[in-house]
Amino acid sequence: AIRMTQSPSSFSASTGDRVTITCRASQGISSYLAWYQQKPGKAPKLLIYAASTLQSGVPSRFSGSGSGTDFTLTISCLQSEDFATYYCQQYYSYPRTFGGGTKVEIK
Amino acid sequence: QVQLQESGPGLVKPSGTLSLTCAVSGGSISSSNWWSWVRQPPGKGLEWIGEIYHSGSTNYNPSLKSRVTISVDKSKNQFSLKLSSVTAADTAVYYCARGGYDRKQRGGYYGMDVWGQGTTVTVSS
Repeated sequence: AIRMTQSPSSFSASTGDRVTITCRASQGISSYLAWYQQKPGKAPKLLIYAASTLQSGVPSRFSGSGSGTDFTLTISCLQSEDFATYYCQQYYSYPRTFGGGTKVEIK
Repeated sequence: QVQLQESGPGLVKPSGTLSLTCAVSGGSISSSNWWSWVRQPPGKGLEWIGEIYHSGSTNYNPSLKSRVTISVDKSKNQFSLKLSSVTAADTAVYYCARGGYDRKQRGGYYGMDVWGQGTTVTVSS
C-alpha cells in the first residue's frame, strides 16, 4: 500500500496567516491526490482533487499543488472557520490511503 | 442533491458481525459513482475500508479484506457493510461516502465528494 505522510501533524496559527501543509507519498502517484477538511464531530469535506482542482463551492483561499510524491495544501488567508484537521488521500492505486492528518489550531 | 445516511447497531459484541447500511437519497446508486465505507477510530485518522459499484464490483482494503463484505441493493437505493469477527480495535465512527465522478479523471474517480454524517459503532461485551 502507498503510505501518505503529512507534516506537520499539528500547528498553531492566527487568523489572516498563510499556512501550508505538506503531504508526501511513498511512491509516485502522479496527481491523483485529494485534500479533505474535517471539523470535530463532522464528516470530512472534499476541498481539492487532482492535486490542484478546487471542489465546487470551496473558497478560493484554498489551493493545492504538486505531483509525483510531494504535495502541498495552502490556505492563503486563514479564517476562523478554517481551524480544523486536514487529510490528504491518494487514489492512484488500491487501497486508497489517507495521510495521518494535520490539525490547525488557533494561536 | 445527493445525501447519504448510515444506520445500524451502535453496539456490537466481540467476535460478532458489524452490519451497517447507507441509504442514498436525492440520486441513484446506479450512477457512475463508486460507493465507499471509511472509518475513524476515536481520536485517530481516516481508514478506507472498501467500495462498491452498482454492478456489484468491489475493492477492499487488504488489511480488512478477509472480514469485509460490501453489497449493494439497487431496489432500495442503498449499500451495506458487514465486518465479521470484530474486536475492540474495530470501534470507530463509520462513514459512507460517494466517490465523485468526472469523466476527465482517470477512471472517473476523483475523491469522496459526498459523505454521510457518520455512525459510532462500539465493540464491547
